[in-house]
Amino acid sequence: QKEVEQDPGPLSVPEGAIVSLNCTYSNSAFQYFMWYRQYSRKGPELLMYTYSSGNKEDGRFTAQVDKSSKYISLFIRDSQPSDSATYLCACLGNYGQNFVFGPGTRLSVLP
Amino acid sequence: DAGVTQSPTHLIKTRGQQVTLRCSPKSGHDTVSWYQQALGQGPQFIFQYYEEEERQRGNFPDRFSGHQFPNYSSELNVNALLLGDSALYLCASSFPVRSDNEQFFGPGTRLTVL
Repeated sequence: QKEVEQDPGPLSVPEGAIVSLNCTYSNSAFQYFMWYRQYSRKGPELLMYTYSSGNKEDGRFTAQVDKSSKYISLFIRDSQPSDSATYLCACLGNYGQNFVFGPGTRLSVLP
Repeated sequence: DAGVTQSPTHLIKTRGQQVTLRCSPKSGHDTVSWYQQALGQGPQFIFQYYEEEERQRGNFPDRFSGHQFPNYSSELNVNALLLGDSALYLCASSFPVRSDNEQFFGPGTRLTVL
């Protein structure tokens, strides 16, 4: 079992839809949870960062972490064609440990 | 404020050759991590440098080595290249002692091994 799992997609939605992206993880030592957006042939761009369980909102994006079920979610409201990208979740343990990434979910928002 | 920069952008090598990739961290950052991202996969951690020392290492062979300079920039060296080394190589910089540990990525170097 991989430490961080994601449905690779592709996921296609119409413009304006609410998008739900999810990850599960197996290592209970993970404390920090990130969502990165990666456009084709570009480096990942940090979107959201959450420490431990809870919700965090930034504009159209909401990140949720449920440590009891080891489940991470990213919601995108009013999705736009410019949101079309691969979304990577990443987990990190305490200080001194390295990031573990999921394989990414490819999202297409159709105009 | 310059972000993380990497050079070169693209590189084509043949099997058995050696390659050096370079990274300059985001201004003020002192920790550099290197990742390998195969097509359709998430980034895989190679190693991390802090204070010119390798602090952590992922599951990569000794053919992969690195260096960090006093100005915090870093190099990734890969010897005896294999076809399977073809990937996007990403550099990320961060502060190691901040509690949030955010990492910022560069655009990557795309390596093709023929």
